[in-house]
Amino acid sequence: NAGVTQTPKFRVLKTGQSMTLLCAQDMNHEYMYWYRQDPGMGLRLIHYSVGEGTTAKGEVPDGYNVSRLKKQNFLLGLESAAPSQTSVYFCASSTGGLSSGANVLTFGAGSRLTVL
Amino acid sequence: AQKITQTQPGMFVQEKEAVTLDCTYDTSDPSYGLFWYKQPSSGEMIFLIYQGSYDQQNATEGRYSLNFQKARKSANLVISASQLGDSAMYFCAMREGPDYKLSFGAGTTVTVRA
Repeated sequence: NAGVTQTPKFRVLKTGQSMTLLCAQDMNHEYMYWYRQDPGMGLRLIHYSVGEGTTAKGEVPDGYNVSRLKKQNFLLGLESAAPSQTSVYFCASSTGGLSSGANVLTFGAGSRLTVL
Repeated sequence: AQKITQTQPGMFVQEKEAVTLDCTYDTSDPSYGLFWYKQPSSGEMIFLIYQGSYDQQNATEGRYSLNFQKARKSANLVISASQLGDSAMYFCAMREGPDYKLSFGAGTTVTVRA
């Protein structure tokens, strides 16, 4: 039972390069999220999806794009990386719903991105 | 405006003692949820405990309990009988609105001393 898998785990980019982070979940969750974690700022929501084919902006969406072509996958793209995007990126998923258990987000292990 | 405020950047606690981590939140939505997550040095995010805004009783999960004071908009985490393995960063988070997304506080680092 893999849960939420993020690839790659580490990546170093030069300013202006592009890349895609892949998030895959095997729990049949409807909702998926991308967060970034920076020291002293907690986790901030970049983009999220409430189902296959849907995406929505979170708190800090600028410079990122996402796609959810398949229910189990949520891709985060950086078209032209900037040093300010150096961060640890977390993907999470949940079933949604009204019960307390269904609201729990399951997180991936994180992807550390450095932009030089 | 900050939705989740954690005012303690770092705390030290002696092994076997209890520690309280503060969390205050801001929302006008009558239906919301409050979560605590633990992030050890290895980096993964571990769910600890959940409290719904309509729950009448404070949530408990083993050594973790949530002191929910709705009128004060606070949701403090209490860890009883601290263990060395409790040394980690702890995040308070709130879910509001229909999309189940969470807003996180800045976190509190707990260091348990032997």
